[in-house]
Amino acid sequence: KAGVTQTPRYLIKTRGQQVTLSCSPISGHRSVSWYQQTPGQGLQFLFEYFSETQRNKGNFPGRFSGRQFSNSRSEMNVSTLELGDSALYLCASSVGGRDGYTFGSGTRLTVV
Amino acid sequence: AQSVTQLDSQVPVFEEAPVELRCNYSSSVSVYLFWYVQYPNQGLQLLLKYLSGSTLVKGINGFEAEFNKSQTSFHLRKPSVHISDTAEYFCASGVSGGYNKLIFGAGTRLAVHP
Repeated sequence: KAGVTQTPRYLIKTRGQQVTLSCSPISGHRSVSWYQQTPGQGLQFLFEYFSETQRNKGNFPGRFSGRQFSNSRSEMNVSTLELGDSALYLCASSVGGRDGYTFGSGTRLTVV
Repeated sequence: AQSVTQLDSQVPVFEEAPVELRCNYSSSVSVYLFWYVQYPNQGLQLLLKYLSGSTLVKGINGFEAEFNKSQTSFHLRKPSVHISDTAEYFCASGVSGGYNKLIFGAGTRLAVHP
C-alpha cells in the first residue's frame, strides 16, 4: 500500500514569507503528527490530529499551525518565516498511535 | 516529565560484529517504546516497538531490543551488522493517554566499517 506522502520534498523560502506543507497519510490512518528535525534540536513534536481535531500541540510559537481534512490529509503552515525555521519537517500517520507511526520522507525547508 | 536519553552519539563498528545502541527513558507512567532508523535524506522507518508483554522485542533487519523496567532501558541490539546498517537510529517513547506525542532521543549514528 502507498506510504505517507509529503509534498513538496524541497522548498526554499525567504524570511518573512509563509509556507504550507502537505501530508497524505496511509489509507485508513486517522492520526497524523508533525515533527520538526534540526541538527541542533533533534526531532521535536509539533502537533497531532485525529479526525480533524488537534489533540496535542508541542512547544512551538503560534506561527506554526496545522489542520486535518475529512479525508485525513493534513497541512501545516508556518507564517512569518525565520531563518531558524529551516529544518526537515516530517509527517507521520498511524491507525491510533500506539501501534507505531509511519513517517513520510519529509519536506526540507530552507529559509534564506 | 517524559524524556529519552541515547547514551552514545556515535557508534563505530566493524562489519559482522555485534552492536548495542543504548537508550534510557524516564517517565512516571506507563510508556511504550520505539526504535526508528533514518537513512540519509529519508524519513524514519520503524524497526521495532514495545507496547506491553514480552520484554524481548524482535524487529526488522535482524534487530531486537529488550525492555528493562527496573533499569528504565530499551537497548537495541544486532548480533552481526552489515555495511547497509550504517544510519542514524532514534529511540522514542510515548505515554499512554498522551495522544500519541512521541519524545525522541538525540539519535545514535551507527557507522559500520568494512
